[in-house]
Amino acid sequence: EVQLLESGGGLVQPGGSLRLSCAASEFTFSSYAMSWVRQAPGKGLEWVSGISVSGGSTYYADSVKGRFTISRDNSKNTLYLQMNSLRADDTAVYFCAKRGSSSVLRQGGFDYWGLGILVTVSS
Amino acid sequence: QSVLTQPASVSGSPGQSITISCTGTSSDVGGYNYVSWYQQHPGKAPKLMIFDVSDRPSGVPNRFSGSKSGNTASLTISGLQAEDEADYYCSSYTSSSTLVFGGGTKLTVL
Repeated sequence: EVQLLESGGGLVQPGGSLRLSCAASEFTFSSYAMSWVRQAPGKGLEWVSGISVSGGSTYYADSVKGRFTISRDNSKNTLYLQMNSLRADDTAVYFCAKRGSSSVLRQGGFDYWGLGILVTVSS
Repeated sequence: QSVLTQPASVSGSPGQSITISCTGTSSDVGGYNYVSWYQQHPGKAPKLMIFDVSDRPSGVPNRFSGSKSGNTASLTISGLQAEDEADYYCSSYTSSSTLVFGGGTKLTVL
């Protein structure tokens, strides 16, 4: 069964940085696009960022562009999200999500999700 | 980015059919056949129910179906069951090369 396990969350002060990781297993990680999706407490889903199979193409929501960087290491089957200049409105559960195809944003939808990791930005 | 518009809540009795709408613009829902629907139970990760407007992943009951007309996509659940009670979110590709989600719809099975 496909597994996606997020780590690296926690409490951070406004303006601080955090790096999330997502360890993937039981599928050919290098064949699928990946994304991060977040959910603020009691709120809806918000797509954050996506990355192509090779890592050569990356996409970001306007709300995080210039502050967050998505990357992947196919040799380690791991997806990353480097989050800088964190703000209170970045507080959310962050989900790692596998695309159902090699397409980052178009075909396939997100067919597998991690359990999520909580990031809290507060002083 | 804009949020796709969904009704805040819908309800139905067991065995009935319900439809959840998802309204966007010609720059997202109306312009592409890349609409997905997700089911989320409280405290759980979302689950893919429909992708590419009307395709169903293996394992999802055929009670769930998707369609699109103009700038509005729809998720229909027929033969409503108690376990269908959850939050439902639509998502679409946009002309800005991003993804956008709807605000979510809470389905109550009466």
